[in-house]
Amino acid sequence: GAGVSQSPSNKVTEKGKDVELRCDPISGHTALYWYRQRLGQGLEFLIYFQGNSAPDKSGLPSDRFSAERTGESVSTLTIQRTQQEDSAVYLCASSLDRLARSSYNEQFFGPGTRLTVL
Amino acid sequence: QQPVQSPQAVILREGEDAVINCSSSKALYSVHWYRQKHGEAPIFLMILLKGGEQKGHDKISASFNEKKQQSSLYLTASQLSYSGTYFCGTESKYNTDKLIFGTGTRLQVFP
Repeated sequence: GAGVSQSPSNKVTEKGKDVELRCDPISGHTALYWYRQRLGQGLEFLIYFQGNSAPDKSGLPSDRFSAERTGESVSTLTIQRTQQEDSAVYLCASSLDRLARSSYNEQFFGPGTRLTVL
Repeated sequence: QQPVQSPQAVILREGEDAVINCSSSKALYSVHWYRQKHGEAPIFLMILLKGGEQKGHDKISASFNEKKQQSSLYLTASQLSYSGTYFCGTESKYNTDKLIFGTGTRLQVFP
């Protein structure tokens, strides 16, 4: 079946502009995660959605970052007034609800959106 | 609170073995291992739940010591396809489902 998809695959923007990144999780996956990966660095947790629960926003680096999710489907990550330090690959992942899976929550990652802020 | 991985980088010849360690300062519920090839998304390798169990995936296995809050990934008779960056992801006892990924270990296997 279809995996996690993200769009756009690449985004080049000017400093100060707003950007929206989109993630389509695997159908039936109620958990959705956003991560940021700077060049040559690890995966930095940003935000986590689980069903209708309040999202865990503890990883968002500043109030310029926000994310929404429509039900158990598409999510958008918005970065306002982009800065050069926002340049990174933004990865989205999804997994099954803990109650729906047998024992573990393997995360399936999308291909990422490479954001470049000039 | 990010798990620390060691070593940071490993260079191997095909057929050699390697061990990658992951250490956390928090009480853990589980440890996940992922591999990421250059320019690609991370791929799930395995998960270890509390209880000290070991799991295997082809010639890659791992262990989890809950008391020490540590996990180790063992790569046996490495193949060229093992090259990539390995990340552990830890799930704490107090915030399950949320993974905090480690610092990463870059593995290069040469013929």
